[in-house]
Amino acid sequence: DTGVSQNPRHKITKRGQNVTFRCDPISEHNRLYWYRQTLGQGPEFLTYFQNEAQLEKSRLLSDRFSAERPKGSFSTLEIQRTEQGDSAMYLCASSLVGVGGYTFGSGTRLTVV
Amino acid sequence: AQSVTQLDSQVPVFEEAPVELRCNYSSSVSVYLFWYVQYPNQGLQLLLKYLSGSTLVKGINGFEAEFNKSQTSFHLRKPSVHISDTAEYFCAVSETNSGYALNFGKGTSLLVTP
Repeated sequence: DTGVSQNPRHKITKRGQNVTFRCDPISEHNRLYWYRQTLGQGPEFLTYFQNEAQLEKSRLLSDRFSAERPKGSFSTLEIQRTEQGDSAMYLCASSLVGVGGYTFGSGTRLTVV
Repeated sequence: AQSVTQLDSQVPVFEEAPVELRCNYSSSVSVYLFWYVQYPNQGLQLLLKYLSGSTLVKGINGFEAEFNKSQTSFHLRKPSVHISDTAEYFCAVSETNSGYALNFGKGTSLLVTP
């Protein structure tokens, strides 16, 4: 068990570019979550998957945000046409169904310039 | 809708002193409650959780919390803090039927000094 892995750790991009982040959950975990954390705030829930099914996506911040988990293992979060307001830490977490609380990755810090 | 309020944004405390970090929540349904710690430039680490049963919950690093349903609180305590406890602490709530999506408070910055 190597924990939840997120790549890259840091990403600097120019406004208007697309970015994609990857999350590899703990292998036996069937739920995977994405959160966004801005400076001085707690994490904000974006979306989650159970296996490959995306069960909640209404809280994605705009239609520029999308997430996939094609084979129920790793997941990607894509932001299209990035804006400066997208600068934040993007956190991934995973868990087993029926077990409260989950394991977070170290996050991907996005800076949009 | 549920919400989480962490009443103190910063808590300074001397080493070996006791500390309490306060958390109140609002929800119309049953909830699960959590405390996470975040060290600089790192992800969140689970300190403890309340799912059911005993209202006094013990976690890692000597922390404990008590669930008080009537006061809708879940305050975090430690009898004697160390310098290494300096970090950001987040209280979080999930409704038991929500798929476990967590709603976080804004965090409390604990600063332990010698």
